Amino acid sequence: QSALTQPASVSGSPGQSITISCTGTSSDVGAYNYVSWYRQHPGKAPKLMIYEVSNRPSGVPDRFSGSKSGNTASLTISGLQAEDEADYYCSSYTSTSPSVFGTGTQVAVL
Amino acid sequence: EVQLLESGGGLVQPGGSLRLSCAASGFTFSSYAMSWVRQAPGKGLEWVSGISGSGGSPYYADSVRGRFIISRDNSRNTLYLRMNSLRAEDTAVYYCAREGVIVGATGGDYWGQGTLVTVSS
Repeated sequence: QSALTQPASVSGSPGQSITISCTGTSSDVGAYNYVSWYRQHPGKAPKLMIYEVSNRPSGVPDRFSGSKSGNTASLTISGLQAEDEADYYCSSYTSTSPSVFGTGTQVAVL
Repeated sequence: EVQLLESGGGLVQPGGSLRLSCAASGFTFSSYAMSWVRQAPGKGLEWVSGISGSGGSPYYADSVRGRFIISRDNSRNTLYLRMNSLRAEDTAVYYCAREGVIVGATGGDYWGQGTLVTVSS
């Protein structure tokens, strides 16, 4: 099972919006509405930000939103804040292996 | 409060074995699937293995199938990962994560702090 494809880095200024893409195949992202997004600060465990494509766990700000079109899922962060500077990973349920992660995206707040 | 606490990591020689544990508290352990996820130094996340709440359905990544065994003891609220025939490329921080009912479907909503496994001679 190959990793889902994410851009290596995305950047934005405070207050701006950014979008991170996550491209898979018709066997994972395109087949199921089981895409999750995680934020990971250096040296810390990942934190779930979005599940089932567009749902936010309790406590996650509504600045974070998720969507999907075909084999590509997206995470949008609106009103970018300094604390959003971190690595972001998508993951998807797959037909061959229960779970696969994306390659990861480093978000920089300029 | 949900807590997951991994233990058992350390330095092991290539070809050796280790058993990781993940002690869970603050929730009904048997109601949730669980997964192990690893992160090699400076690299991304890799899903390693998952298991249903009952323990009857284990799943493995191709990279560890046949070498790693996942199990759980619901009476002790503990998840395990037995790692055999370890290789240098297994060096990573290993996290346990609580999932929903189905491994891989709804994501890991709680994670442990991780335990470092180093495979080196």
